[in-house]
Amino acid sequence: NAGVTQTPKFRILKIGQSMTLQCTQDMNHNYMYWYRQDPGMGLKLIYYSVGAGITDKGEVPNGYNVSRSTTEDFPLRLELAAPSQTSVYFCASSLDSDRYQPQHFGDGTRLSIL
Amino acid sequence: GDSVTQMEGPVTLSEEAFLTINCTYTATGYPSLFWYVQYPGEGLQLLLKATKADDKGSNKGFEATYRKETTSFHLEKGSVQVSDSAVYFCALWVNNNDMRFGAGTRLTVKP
Repeated sequence: NAGVTQTPKFRILKIGQSMTLQCTQDMNHNYMYWYRQDPGMGLKLIYYSVGAGITDKGEVPNGYNVSRSTTEDFPLRLELAAPSQTSVYFCASSLDSDRYQPQHFGDGTRLSIL
Repeated sequence: GDSVTQMEGPVTLSEEAFLTINCTYTATGYPSLFWYVQYPGEGLQLLLKATKADDKGSNKGFEATYRKETTSFHLEKGSVQVSDSAVYFCALWVNNNDMRFGAGTRLTVKP
């Protein structure tokens, strides 16, 4: 009953450090997404993937990179952490991307850049 | 551009009170509309959805009707419980890979 699993749950980084947020799903979903959630704001799409080997930018991709080597995994990488990247990050997946398919979310990673 | 505007919170109600959380949208196409709920420390979960005008989504006593004439998708529940305390997000699916979320409304229900 795992669904979408994100690790770590919390992390504190120093400015300029790098890290990878992990996301894996066991539902054999084709589509995967990364969002950030800032206080008092809705979720904003960072990157998405329509299948293994295919990724594309969302609304706020600057400062991030992604890869999708398998159907299950969709890691998000921060190369040079900046205070503006302090946020809660959510990974999500869906079987398809049409008007009928909801997205399934992980529990989030709370990231602070100091 | 396409967007969702939802009622600002926080909202505090007593148990068994009636709940309405307003959501209006702007879209150039024919969107699907969703309500997601986020319990403390968890990710978002789908609460209900409606894929065309006049559809009513319902789940766990919550309802929302897709009203094209008023571009609205207000969330309602007749009698809230303490366990309904959470953050509620209205969301708009416009086309492939484009889901827009509202800012969220925090609901606290007191016994």
